[in-house]
Amino acid sequence: DADVTQTPRNRITKTGKRIMLECSQTKGHDRMYWYRQDPGLGLRLIYYSFDVKDINKGEISDGYSVSRQAQAKFSLSLESAIPNQTALYFCATSEPDRAHEQFFGPGTRLTVL
Amino acid sequence: EDKVVQSPLSLVVHEGDTVTLNCSYEVTNFRSLLWYKQEKKAPTFLFMLTSSGIEKKSGRLSSILDKKELFSILNITATQTGDSAVYLCAVFQGGSEKLVFGKGTKLTVNP
Repeated sequence: DADVTQTPRNRITKTGKRIMLECSQTKGHDRMYWYRQDPGLGLRLIYYSFDVKDINKGEISDGYSVSRQAQAKFSLSLESAIPNQTALYFCATSEPDRAHEQFFGPGTRLTVL
Repeated sequence: EDKVVQSPLSLVVHEGDTVTLNCSYEVTNFRSLLWYKQEKKAPTFLFMLTSSGIEKKSGRLSSILDKKELFSILNITATQTGDSAVYLCAVFQGGSEKLVFGKGTKLTVNP
C-alpha cells in the first residue's frame, strides 16, 4: 500500500463549486504539505502543517483553505473554484528532524471549467 | 525574494550522452539543496547537499554544491531512456523550514 495517498486522483469541476482534496499518510510523519504544480512553474507551496494544531500559509494560499483532521489526514479545500486553479496538486509529508526530505503522494489532477 | 533557477528548462539527448543540469539559488537562511526526479507523477528524492565541494553519487548520477557561488549541478553519465524525467532542484530554508523549488529541467533521452 502507498504511504501517501490522495483522493480523488482526477477531478473535473465547474467554476464556483466547492471542492475538497484529501491526503492520508501511513508514514507516521508529523509534517504535511500541499503543493500545486503548473506546467513550467515547478512546485509551489500552498499550505503546510507541522502538527494538528500548527497550520501555516505558503506562498500561494489565496483561494484555498486546509484542515488537519488528524496526524494522518490533511485536506485542501477550494471554496469557490476558478479556472486558474486548474493544476496538479501534490500532498507531501516529512519528519520534523528530516523536514528537507519530503515524500510525495501520487497527485490529484484538477480541472476547473 | 527567494528564488531557485534551473537551466536548461528542457534538454533532448541520445542514449549514452552525459548531461549536466544546473541550479542556482538566492534563498535566505539556506540549509540544504535537494534534487528530485519526477517521472509520471510524484517527485522522488535523489540527493541532499549541505556542504560545498563534496560530491554525492548514486550510480550514474552525481551532484555537487558550491555555496560560495550559490549553485549546484547534477550530472548524469551514460544516459538511458529511463532517465527521461523532470529534474527538480529545491532549497530547504531554515526558520520557515520550507522547500523552495525551481521550475525543473525536462530531460528527454532518445534511444
